[in-house]
Amino acid sequence: GENVEQHPSTLSVQEGDSAVIKCTYSDSASNYFPWYKQELGKGPQLIIDIRSNVGEKKDQRIAVTLNKTAKHFSLHITETQPEDSAVYFCAAYGKGDNNDMRFGAGTRLTVKP
Amino acid sequence: NAGVMQNPRHLVRRRGQEARLRCSPMKGHSHVYWYRQLPEEGLKFMVYLQKENIIDESGMPKERFSAEFPKEGPSILRIQQVVRGDSAAYFCASSPSRVENTEAFFGQGTRLTVV
Repeated sequence: GENVEQHPSTLSVQEGDSAVIKCTYSDSASNYFPWYKQELGKGPQLIIDIRSNVGEKKDQRIAVTLNKTAKHFSLHITETQPEDSAVYFCAAYGKGDNNDMRFGAGTRLTVKP
Repeated sequence: NAGVMQNPRHLVRRRGQEARLRCSPMKGHSHVYWYRQLPEEGLKFMVYLQKENIIDESGMPKERFSAEFPKEGPSILRIQQVVRGDSAAYFCASSPSRVENTEAFFGQGTRLTVV
């Protein structure tokens, strides 16, 4: 089945700097890659996603890139703000015999004011 | 349009009791996924269901755990004879169709504490 690895596990940046989180996946048939943000005590919230027919997608300060050949995708947050502080999870939809999302272990992002 | 509703938000059970966690998907969503999250850890897939069918339960422990998504009513994750190691946050997500074609949205989770 699909295996997703996420790095780094923790990331601390200064307000206004950029943050980059990287994920790799194992199933070359995967074709959908969402990113979720989880704040303390809450459920994961979808913030952006990308499908395999595009290489990059942007939504204001958030962007995601996908390299299908290398089987990795990244989340980029520019002009970070303290409210961006949360745990971020990447996921990959493993098409194989299963139809479900497998998640990375998460990145705890801290934005220092 | 209400989001994914999970209840209860917090559940305390003594060892050996049963825990029943409910998940009402978003309106129009017929696909439900259950995940378990231990403190400071990621989301571990447990089971994927469509209405009246279990599609993939490869992440579910073989004993004591079961899940259903009946034609009417919420999806239920049932844990029998709970042990301390079952203490975790359990999240469900729903989507209107297969995830590859659309997005999945999560509920706020049920935090199970076994004492």
